[in-house]
Amino acid sequence: DGGITQSPKYLFRKEGQNVTLSCEQNLNHDAMYWYRQDPGQGLRLIYYSQIVNDFQKGDIAEGYSVSREKKESFPLTVTSAQKNPTAFYLCASTLTGASYNEQFFGPGTRLTVL
Amino acid sequence: EDQVTQSPEALRLQEGESSSLNCSYTVSGLRGLFWYRQDPGKGPEFLFTLYSAGEEKEKERLKATLTKKESFLHITAPKPEDSATYLCAPSNQAGTALIFGKGTTLSVSS
Repeated sequence: DGGITQSPKYLFRKEGQNVTLSCEQNLNHDAMYWYRQDPGQGLRLIYYSQIVNDFQKGDIAEGYSVSREKKESFPLTVTSAQKNPTAFYLCASTLTGASYNEQFFGPGTRLTVL
Repeated sequence: EDQVTQSPEALRLQEGESSSLNCSYTVSGLRGLFWYRQDPGKGPEFLFTLYSAGEEKEKERLKATLTKKESFLHITAPKPEDSATYLCAPSNQAGTALIFGKGTTLSVSS
């Protein structure tokens, strides 16, 4: 089955630690996205990548980093510089980077900082 | 500035009681508007894409419509399994990303 996988489903981090969230897709999509969702808030864009080896900052990129070395993979690192990292993180992909293409989402990773 | 507002924030319906969810947006040169359904603790599930004013799309008990400033998600004779949060997302003016509303949480009781 084609789709987007995210791992782990739940992640606990101590303050001051960096953690990396995995996102993999086998849909042969060019573009991939990372969002953050907080209770009662809309999805906010962290980073996006329209092609391999290229990515752009979204609205809330501070304290996060990404890489796009393979078409299928777009890992997100939450660094210790992110002041309030506890949230639900969603990865999405779309056929091309054009915004008129629907985005398909993974199941999400819930990060909790202890 | 591109903005999107969804109303109401929460909606409680009895099974079979039809209603509509609203999505108001301010985006110049809209390239597309998307509706998603999200169940608690899960990723959003794609429902519809609307591209131009006057367009309508239907799927089972759901129908989405689009005007130049708003989109509506009409729910006809809802069932308890329609309970979820519904998200609206127009594309931004630059055409590079979607702008998500905060969503409408629908609860349907039998």
